[in-house]
Amino acid sequence: GEEVAQTPKHLVRGEGQKAKLYCAPIKGHSYVFWYQQVLKNEFKFLISFQNENVFDETGMPKERFSAKCLPNSPCSLEIQATKLEDSAVYFCASSLWPKGAFFGQGTRLTVV
Amino acid sequence: AQTVTQSQPEMSVQEAETVTLSCTYDTSESDYYLFWYKQPPSRQMILVIRQEAYKQQNATENRFSVNFQKAAKSFSLKISDSQLGDAAMYFCARSNMNRDDKIIFGKGTRLHILP
Repeated sequence: GEEVAQTPKHLVRGEGQKAKLYCAPIKGHSYVFWYQQVLKNEFKFLISFQNENVFDETGMPKERFSAKCLPNSPCSLEIQATKLEDSAVYFCASSLWPKGAFFGQGTRLTVV
Repeated sequence: AQTVTQSQPEMSVQEAETVTLSCTYDTSESDYYLFWYKQPPSRQMILVIRQEAYKQQNATENRFSVNFQKAAKSFSLKISDSQLGDAAMYFCARSNMNRDDKIIFGKGTRLHILP
């Protein structure tokens, strides 16, 4: 497709529950990025992939966050045992350099 | 730390007027990309304009143009003939060149358009 597709648009989880977010990058784009945008609008880089390989995971909280990009499947970001502080909008972006990154519409995660 | 700084949390401009949003950044790289992204209330991130650091000519996209001062590490966005649809958060951002590196964002400037 010609746009980055993120599902679901909204996700509500009780504290301690698991959350799983999905991202289908633009066809042909080899890089995928995940960002977290918290209520203060600040963006935090989480992780990037080059195809199915982790490229940069310096932003990932080690204990509860994990991510995958498998061939022929949407990429996923999973949060085990969600906490209130995980409430944010999670953006996925894909890129084919040097055209720049194109963002999905985000998944709003609310932890209650 | 390689940071991007937007010193104006909020700005307002009268419809049809011109407004400039400021951005400075810090990097040790000589070549890199700079971006302005627009985020309306829908939360969609829209790429407004992109500048390659090795290009001296300032990028322009219709009513949007930048003033890129490499030595000063400054990258301001000028919006001419402001329209109500320009109201949004604007994020200045930077990434390294030659590989698909992560984008580093500023904290954003909220732009209000006054009718």
